[in-house]
Amino acid sequence: SQTIHQWPATLVQPVGSPLSLECTVEGTSNPNLYWYRQAAGRGLQLLFYSVGIGQISSEVPQNLSASRPQDRQFILSSKKLLLSDSGFYLCAWQIGAGTQYFGPGTRLLVL
Amino acid sequence: AQSVTQPDIHITVSEGASLELRCNYSYGATPYLFWYVQSPGQGLQLLLKYFSGDTLVQGIKGFEAEFKRSQSSFNLRKPSVHWSDAAEYFCAVVGRRALTFGSGTRLQVQP
Repeated sequence: SQTIHQWPATLVQPVGSPLSLECTVEGTSNPNLYWYRQAAGRGLQLLFYSVGIGQISSEVPQNLSASRPQDRQFILSSKKLLLSDSGFYLCAWQIGAGTQYFGPGTRLLVL
Repeated sequence: AQSVTQPDIHITVSEGASLELRCNYSYGATPYLFWYVQSPGQGLQLLLKYFSGDTLVQGIKGFEAEFKRSQSSFNLRKPSVHWSDAAEYFCAVVGRRALTFGSGTRLQVQP
């Protein structure tokens, strides 16, 4: 069966520091991969999606970037974090036009 | 562009009472619709989905939802709420690139 992992689960970082969040999927091939951010008390905002290795589409302009170095690995990065980057980051995978399945999330607090 | 509206930010019900969470969507074609549930600090879990066919969809944990094209609605229902149902519920529609989520409804269950 398919599983999706995210780490770290929780992260506290100072303003201006770099960021790297990792998402990996097991048990499937060629998934579409997604990064969402959920700010406190709000819905989910799509940040990036990828339909294949090295193929990244950005939905909103920001100081974040994403990369997909392997088929089942999706990385969210930043060179310099802002206070507004705090939130709950969710990775998801999907095959074709089917259902999206979400990882457990990473809670990021920027101080 | 597609959109999802969940008009109720907060709902409180008594344990054992019935529940209905509202969801209205805007989409040009036949929508693919989802309900997800999120417990505090957790990822999103799929409750049910509608792609086509029978407009009354059964999901996990005793939930069901009814697709009404004439009303552009996909309301979630449960005949008897349990204390463990307290969580945040998100309605979503498949968009051009990814899911578009509503802002969520937080459900509190009173003993």
